Amino acid sequence: EPEVTQTPSHQVTQMGQEVILRCVPISNHLYFYWYRQILGQKVEFLVSFYNNEISEKSEIFDDQFSVERPDGSNFTLKIRSTKLEDSAMYFCATTRTANYEQYFGPGTRLTVT
Amino acid sequence: GQNIDQPTEMTATEGAIVQINCTYQTSGFNGLFWYQQHAGEAPTFLSYNVLDGLEEKGRFSSFLSRSKGYSYLLLKELQMKDSASYLCAVGDNYGQNFVFGPGTRLSVLP
Repeated sequence: EPEVTQTPSHQVTQMGQEVILRCVPISNHLYFYWYRQILGQKVEFLVSFYNNEISEKSEIFDDQFSVERPDGSNFTLKIRSTKLEDSAMYFCATTRTANYEQYFGPGTRLTVT
Repeated sequence: GQNIDQPTEMTATEGAIVQINCTYQTSGFNGLFWYQQHAGEAPTFLSYNVLDGLEEKGRFSSFLSRSKGYSYLLLKELQMKDSASYLCAVGDNYGQNFVFGPGTRLSVLP
């Protein structure tokens, strides 16, 4: 069964450093999403991406965040200058069509020290 | 504004039936989703309702009333492996934005 993969599984970084989280979507999926989940809290929408551009973004997704699909396979989330409060699990999700069941990757646990 | 409410925790016995409620107030609505999330893992899709009524899928059923902003997930013949958090999520803006509820942590006891 096809699945969404994410790398790395765990990233530790110092405050102020840039991080790039990577996701490989399921091959025939066209809609991509990033979510974050702070430990013990709810899943929060960050951004949706379709046809090589952002469809919608939340208030959390400020100028420190960016997404791209540089090579047609990887879908990346970049945080330019990490803050302590960016520590969370980051999930990538993809779907074949909009408003359909989303397949989540296993997540990247980001720890900012 | 966007607001989704679910009970924080529920407990049920193996073999029993449990109903997890979700109420929502969102600026738009393009469907309601239920996901299961085991501790430390990613959410996995359970069900999707866009029209009023009941959708059945094996041991899991989900109900939606759009006029009341209400949904429930019904789990039958509970098994120990059903112990997990159950997340209610509303799709907005034609699937470009999703709002998740806080999740309901279900504990299934022997």
